[in-house]
Amino acid sequence: EDQVTQSPEALRLQEGESSSLNCSYTVSGLRGLFWYRQDPGKGPEFLFTLYSAGEEKEKERLKATLTKKESFLHITAPKPEDSATYLCAVQSGGSYIPTFGRGTSLIVHP
Amino acid sequence: DTAVSQTPKYLVTQMGNDKSIKCEQNLGHDTMYWYKQDSKKFLKIMFSYNNKELIINETVPNRFSPKSPDKAHLNLHINSLELGDSAVYFCASVSDGTGRETQYFGPGTRLLVL
Repeated sequence: EDQVTQSPEALRLQEGESSSLNCSYTVSGLRGLFWYRQDPGKGPEFLFTLYSAGEEKEKERLKATLTKKESFLHITAPKPEDSATYLCAVQSGGSYIPTFGRGTSLIVHP
Repeated sequence: DTAVSQTPKYLVTQMGNDKSIKCEQNLGHDTMYWYKQDSKKFLKIMFSYNNKELIINETVPNRFSPKSPDKAHLNLHINSLELGDSAVYFCASVSDGTGRETQYFGPGTRLLVL
């Protein structure tokens, strides 16, 4: 059974204070690892897909990296508008079922 | 144009009632999902439809039944609603369901069973 664990559960940062969110996973044959952002009262919004260890992707202040056991979402010099819940999901070769982690709730204070 | 839309956005109802939630996608995708998100933000898949055929049915009570009149629509019908059904329900679509494609989520339907 695929498993995804995200840490920390909640993170408070000051504006400009860089940090990283972690997503540890256990799958049999990774097809893809996905990062989503979810704002209160809205559906998850796609950020990145990573397919193989060593892969990195960037978008504005966000950078996602992938190893064989975990993924990191690095946030550089965050702004208050980066406040949201960040969700990690994996899909394995043995299943059509995406498995989501419980998310990291990020609050960036001005 | 909204890619994935759901109606209603809010649904408040009594225990024992039957209700439906509608989902439509205009992306031309082949696969659609229904998710349940609990109060702790945990997203769990309920159903997946690929080209009008159910390909996943997780351990969901048979009170829940997905219905797809065509490729662009996947509706969720719930019979005999229970208190534990209160949650946010999200519809999502993906181009081919192979596991390598991005999912596009709807805005969610907030269901409260009293």
